[in-house]
Amino acid sequence: DTGVSQDPRHKITKRGQNVTFRCDPISEHNRLYWYRQTLGQGPEFLTYFQNEAQLEKSRLLSDRFSAERPKGSFSTLEIQRTEQGDSAMYLCASSLETLWAFFGQGTRLTVV
Amino acid sequence: AQSVTQPDIHITVSEGASLELRCNYSYGATPYLFWYVQSPGQGLQLLLKYFSGDTLVQGIKGFEAEFKRSQSSFNLRKPSVHWSDAAEYFCAVGHNNAGNMLTFGGGTRLMVKP
Repeated sequence: DTGVSQDPRHKITKRGQNVTFRCDPISEHNRLYWYRQTLGQGPEFLTYFQNEAQLEKSRLLSDRFSAERPKGSFSTLEIQRTEQGDSAMYLCASSLETLWAFFGQGTRLTVV
Repeated sequence: AQSVTQPDIHITVSEGASLELRCNYSYGATPYLFWYVQSPGQGLQLLLKYFSGDTLVQGIKGFEAEFKRSQSSFNLRKPSVHWSDAAEYFCAVGHNNAGNMLTFGGGTRLMVKP
């Protein structure tokens, strides 16, 4: 399968713990996006990379959220000191030079 | 700022009936427009997109959408719905001059009656 891959698919963590999610984009895609989707809502943009450069990060929800794409391939999204309000589906998408983005299956985070 | 409104939160149609899902957007210029479908617990699959040109766009699974500039709308249609079409549908807008991000509507949940 050559689609966008996200790992893990599900994560349950205790409040206050740190979590990290991984996204592997479609191999030739230079753009990578992270979105968050809460129950009953549409996805909400968090951040965007073009190759290894993070070109938009003002929409990250707080300074507890950070993302990296160190070699312009896979990306990680980290949430420090998780809170119950962080429970959501975290979606990764990738594209080649356009907004025509392909989404992964998402990582569902539950903070207990 | 760009925004998207999907006025119908839930829609129920009978299998074989026609379908129209509404989408209205707000943006200063003509944005790029998308429809995605999401099955429960899954990611989003692109149904179709509009960048420019012909305002009637054909997509996968028999879906089409029509861009109407005067109404700022991009409604999704299907002439005959199948039970497997039951899912959540999201309209999205974006533009390269607007942060290279997509702004999504709140979604419309489609239920199909046998």
